[in-house]
Amino acid sequence: GENVEQHPSTLSVQEGDSAVIKCTYSDSASNYFPWYKQELGKRPQLIIDIRSNVGEKKDQRIAVTLNKTAKHFSLHITETQPEDSAVYFCAASTNGNKLVFGAGTILRVKS
Amino acid sequence: SAVISQKPSRDICQRGTSLTIQCQVDSQVTMMFWYRQQPGQSLTLIATANQGSEATYESGFVIDKFPISRPNLTFSTLTVSNMSPEDSSIYLCSAGQGVTGELFFGEGSRLTVL
Repeated sequence: GENVEQHPSTLSVQEGDSAVIKCTYSDSASNYFPWYKQELGKRPQLIIDIRSNVGEKKDQRIAVTLNKTAKHFSLHITETQPEDSAVYFCAASTNGNKLVFGAGTILRVKS
Repeated sequence: SAVISQKPSRDICQRGTSLTIQCQVDSQVTMMFWYRQQPGQSLTLIATANQGSEATYESGFVIDKFPISRPNLTFSTLTVSNMSPEDSSIYLCSAGQGVTGELFFGEGSRLTVL
C-alpha cells in the first residue's frame, strides 16, 4: 500500500521568512496530493492540493510543487506569519480514494 | 465543501464499555472514512464506510472492535467496542465526493477511556 514520508518533523522560522515542507510517496498510482493545516484542538483543514497532471500550484502565499518522477511533493509558504503556526500534514490518494497521511510537521513562526 | 458534524465531541468512558460516534454531512457524499488521531500523531485510517454494505477495514482494525454503519449518503456511525485505555484518542469522520479527491473532516470526537 501507499506510504507517505514527511520532513522535517518540526520547523521554526522567523516571521517573514519562507518555510518548506517535503513529502515523498511510494505508490506511483497516487494522483492526488493535498495539504492540511491543523491548529491545536481543531480539525484538519484543506489548504491546497495538487493533481498529478500539474507540476505546481499557487494560492497567495502558499504553493505546492510535484515531481512525479521522483515521487515527491513540497509545500512552500512565503512571508510566514504567526498565524501560520500549526501542524501541517501532506497526504496522497489514488482517484479520490482513501488518503494516506504523512507524519506531520510542526511549524513555529517566531515573531 | 461539505460541512461535517460529529457527536459526541468528547466523552469519558469506562473500560469495557462501548461508545457510538455519529457523523452527519450536510450534503450527499460519495466517500466517507473514519480516522483515528492519537495525541501528537498523524491521522490513521480505520476504515472506509460503504453505503449499504460492510465497511472496508485497514490492516490492524477489525469489524468486531470498530463496527461501522452507513445507512445513506449523508450519515455514518463508528462504534468503539469493549474499550480499553489504549482506545483513548480522537476519532475523525471525513467525507468527499471521490472523483475530486477533496476530503473534509468533522471536528473530531475526543474519547478518554479510564
